[in-house]
Amino acid sequence: DQQVKQNSPSLSVQEGRISILNCDYTNSMFDYFLWYKKYPAEGPTFLISISSIKDKNEDGRFTVFLNKSAKHLSLHIVPSQPGDSAVYFCAASQSGGSNYKLTFGKGTLLTVNP
Amino acid sequence: DGGITQSPKYLFRKEGQNVTLSCEQNLNHDAMYWYRQDPGQGLRLIYYSQIVNDFQKGDIAEGYSVSREKKESFPLTVTSAQKNPTAFYLCASSIPPGLNEKLFFGSGTQLSVL
Repeated sequence: DQQVKQNSPSLSVQEGRISILNCDYTNSMFDYFLWYKKYPAEGPTFLISISSIKDKNEDGRFTVFLNKSAKHLSLHIVPSQPGDSAVYFCAASQSGGSNYKLTFGKGTLLTVNP
Repeated sequence: DGGITQSPKYLFRKEGQNVTLSCEQNLNHDAMYWYRQDPGQGLRLIYYSQIVNDFQKGDIAEGYSVSREKKESFPLTVTSAQKNPTAFYLCASSIPPGLNEKLFFGSGTQLSVL
């Protein structure tokens, strides 16, 4: 039972354009969401997060949007750069639990073409 | 520099052999985690520890064992009972869990079966 789903295994965009990566979740108890970026043979690095009390969080070129009613979030990268090419993982957690852990999606490989 | 160190970078296991993956952190984090990544898959939680001398099974703990004798260290043993050990293993840490703080990841260990 996959609670966090990234239905697009890959995405290709041109440099300077917008990249939109999508993520859906099924567990209504999730209230905190994160995006991680991962290069091959390296550990993921934190990119941006959003709490369920917000519907948007922005950090430079990266913006995450949360639609709680649809159980959907998206990561927008504007403008996209070749260095953004990586696998992006969506993750979710439930705050206040006694056993904190993140549930990850399968990831989306973003390729930004020069 | 503070961070998480995983060693070795590459590891080979023979049939019937136990192998231990090292994870050390100097971030003074209470919580530590082990994840496994398979090609085309998300990160799946093997074990996690919220405090020294305590650890909990994650989603795929069978065939693995851990210890948490020191705050800085959380080694993972892949036992001979793990029939499909080939994967990329990631260690992570965070400050006290449940506070919606992000995970910091090491650079990973690629384990392969000879």
